[in-house]
Amino acid sequence: GEDVEQSLFLSVREGDSSVINCTYTDSSSTYLYWYKQEPGAGLQLLTYIFSNMDMKQDQRLTVLLNKKDKHLSLRIADTQTGDSAIYFCAEKTAVAGGYNKLIFGAGTRLAVHP
Amino acid sequence: DVKVTQSSRYLVKRTGEKVFLECVQDMDHENMFWYRQDPGLGLRLIYFSYDVKMKEKGDIPEGYSVSREKKERFSLILESASTNQTSMYLCASTGTHPNQPQHFGDGTRLSIL
Repeated sequence: GEDVEQSLFLSVREGDSSVINCTYTDSSSTYLYWYKQEPGAGLQLLTYIFSNMDMKQDQRLTVLLNKKDKHLSLRIADTQTGDSAIYFCAEKTAVAGGYNKLIFGAGTRLAVHP
Repeated sequence: DVKVTQSSRYLVKRTGEKVFLECVQDMDHENMFWYRQDPGLGLRLIYFSYDVKMKEKGDIPEGYSVSREKKERFSLILESASTNQTSMYLCASTGTHPNQPQHFGDGTRLSIL
């Protein structure tokens, strides 16, 4: 079945770049997403990439997609303490009946230290 | 901005009780979803609905049911709460266009004693 995997923890120094990695299994996924969850809150959409793109940049965020390896990464430039959160990778996949659903990874907890 | 509102942030119930979690969205979205979030497991889909009075089972529907009587409201029901249903519950909604992402509420942290 479909599966999305990501490492559980990442620790970086303030000002450095963070790279959060994700692998997925469904080669027919149309969209891949990155969500951010701050303590006690729901999920906030950070960015997404369509499956026919290799890269997407949005201010400090860069998403890279390697379709051949089914690998997705999120790079955060100049990481700040406010970036400390859990980051979820998700793939949109089709289900029976023509509907779509998201498959989420377990989330990567990013800790930013001075 | 899309607003997805979950009626309670924290809820404490007893084993065997019938529990209702409510979710309302204000963007006229057709699709609504209920997930539970547990540490190390990410989000798992319980049920979703693509239209009023329509529902589909997700990956872990056992012990849950849902109700969608109005387009803006999607309710999750725990028929007889058990301690293993202690979790964070997240509601989401999205429109029908393929590139529309899911928008999430702030979650309900449910404890079953």
